[in-house]
Amino acid sequence: DTAVSQTPKYLVTQMGNDKSIKCEQNLGHDTMYWYKQDSKKFLKIMFSYNNKELIINETVPNRFSPKSPDKAHLNLHINSLELGDSAVYFCASSQDPAPSREQYFGPGTRLTVT
Amino acid sequence: GQNIDQPTEMTATEGAIVQINCTYQTSGFNGLFWYQQHAGEAPTFLSYNVLDGLEEKGRFSSFLSRSKGYSYLLLKELQMKDSASYLCAAMDSNYQLIWGAGTKLIIKP
Repeated sequence: DTAVSQTPKYLVTQMGNDKSIKCEQNLGHDTMYWYKQDSKKFLKIMFSYNNKELIINETVPNRFSPKSPDKAHLNLHINSLELGDSAVYFCASSQDPAPSREQYFGPGTRLTVT
Repeated sequence: GQNIDQPTEMTATEGAIVQINCTYQTSGFNGLFWYQQHAGEAPTFLSYNVLDGLEEKGRFSSFLSRSKGYSYLLLKELQMKDSASYLCAAMDSNYQLIWGAGTKLIIKP
């Protein structure tokens, strides 16, 4: 019973391509997030959605766009991929955006741009 | 600016006790989280502190001092499976988590 799942787990692609990463949670949570973890292991919030409404939108390039068809899914679409986009992308969810809520992370998608 | 500092790497012996420190500077404060991340895996939640003091949960305890912008994670009776990175994250006034780079803990027999 996977709580937060992501596909694909690995993604290797060339510069300039467009790709999507899918995320689904079966926890009934209201809030979902996308994080980028770079080679130095820093986790940086990219987006979060609460009940399909964008509530945090960090200063990421507009080549990145989150899409949430329903509250169980938050997909990440990336246009015109660049070398610097290579990283591990984690999807996460929490019951709601309240401060004390723990976040449940998906297994991550390792993106390599060549 | 907002910043989280924690040691890059620590080594400890199986069965011993280790303390991982974290200092933070954020715009507002809504609590301090600790997560564990094994190599190649996702982070998993360990603890949340918002009030000063020590919270104990089994072999793991977490401490917070809001006035000092300081927290630590205490791991007792270390086991080999505790070898992992430990991530400190502070929640700012916008309910956004600011993450440290993690402390890689190496356990030796």
